[in-house]
Amino acid sequence: GAVVSQHPSRVICKSGTSVKIECRSLDFQATTMFWYRQFPKQSLMLMATSNEGSKATYEQGVEKDKFLINHASLTLSTLTVTSAHPEDSSFYICSARSTSGGTEAFFGQGTRLTVV
Amino acid sequence: LAKTTQPISMDSYEGQEVNITCSHNNIATNDYITWYQQFPSQGPRFIIQGYKTKVTNEVASLFIPADRKSSTLSLPRVSLSDTAVYYCLVESGAGSYQLTFGKGTKLSVIP
Repeated sequence: GAVVSQHPSRVICKSGTSVKIECRSLDFQATTMFWYRQFPKQSLMLMATSNEGSKATYEQGVEKDKFLINHASLTLSTLTVTSAHPEDSSFYICSARSTSGGTEAFFGQGTRLTVV
Repeated sequence: LAKTTQPISMDSYEGQEVNITCSHNNIATNDYITWYQQFPSQGPRFIIQGYKTKVTNEVASLFIPADRKSSTLSLPRVSLSDTAVYYCLVESGAGSYQLTFGKGTKLSVIP
């Protein structure tokens, strides 16, 4: 089946630094990818919609200058957490659907970010 | 999108059938019902999707009554590996864009 791969699966960074998370659709093309954040024992919260070749759409309350999204190709979207703070520590998950259609959304394995 | 309500948690013994019901009173005519499964520290995984009546695949069955205001995910003969959080979602049109996740149901399977 279709696979979405996220990298890294886990990262620890110092406060004030930036971290880049990659999301790749391995065997299908996706004009749109989605970025979610999940805090412990909570549900997934949509952060932004990543659009290939254009600007991302951010959900209310998500700082676009802090969470930079780039969707440069039909198989790759990146999320960069800039000037990370401990409160940015969370589980980040990307998702994509195939441009050729289909009912299911495919999710990456997630990235555990810890800011110290 | 219609809001969904599901039990926060459920326990079941191995080998039993588990039914998780989700209510979505404000579901619209062109909305579909989709269920996802999430294990700890992993992304969600699609289980099943339906519009009305019954849908069955190799993993689960989905029962949707005529009024479509609720749906029931049925997992036959659960095993310990089925311990996970199960999310019921309402999507506008099959395969539509973003997904809005509710709180989900944490299923614990007991030996």
